[in-house]
Amino acid sequence: ETGVTQTPRHLVMGMTNKKSLKCEQHLGHNAMYWYKQSAKKPLELMFVYNFKEQTENNSVPSRFSPECPNSSHLFLHLHTLQPEDSALYLCASSQGIQGAHTEAFFGQGTRLTVV
Amino acid sequence: KNEVEQSPQNLTAQEGEFITINCSYSVGISALHWLQQHPGGGIVSLFMLSSGKKKHGRLIATINIQEKHSSLHITASHPRDSAVYICAVKKETSGSRLTFGEGTQLTVNP
Repeated sequence: ETGVTQTPRHLVMGMTNKKSLKCEQHLGHNAMYWYKQSAKKPLELMFVYNFKEQTENNSVPSRFSPECPNSSHLFLHLHTLQPEDSALYLCASSQGIQGAHTEAFFGQGTRLTVV
Repeated sequence: KNEVEQSPQNLTAQEGEFITINCSYSVGISALHWLQQHPGGGIVSLFMLSSGKKKHGRLIATINIQEKHSSLHITASHPRDSAVYICAVKKETSGSRLTFGEGTQLTVNP
């Protein structure tokens, strides 16, 4: 248990559906991240939020829409996805985003399948 | 070519064996992380280091900044160590972003 909780753990959705992934942390961290892990590929950073403000968007398609209502919660809203978006989506949090010694804590991930 | 390369990609060992996983990187870094990912997908941070060596239980991580190389060692390996081990670096120029290796799949047989 890392203190970062993601729901749901598994999600199957059609290409015309709209769904949301949720991430929650009560570690008192200020920064939250979304990562994508596709099969046989390294993790890819998608978004970074610091104090609820988006600080990085790694050229992610607009069909992925993040939302950070407060420092403890992060959502990833999904709409009109493609089958190639099927992947493990991981949330992480850290105390801050500056400096070398900021350790990130990861959630269990949501396994997304787009059919 | 990835900026972070791990070897081997796959490793099978017998219980009790000493295991080494290697990570080489080609960029200037401020820190290096070793992460463990279990089959369910969740990731646990094992070590974060910027110099020298760290030890936690049966796990040891070392880093040589000059050679741009890090190793993760597992002593007296156990089947529960079976997981994917991921090396990630925080580049000097990338702020909070981590750059990940592809991971090493470790299987420890009883």
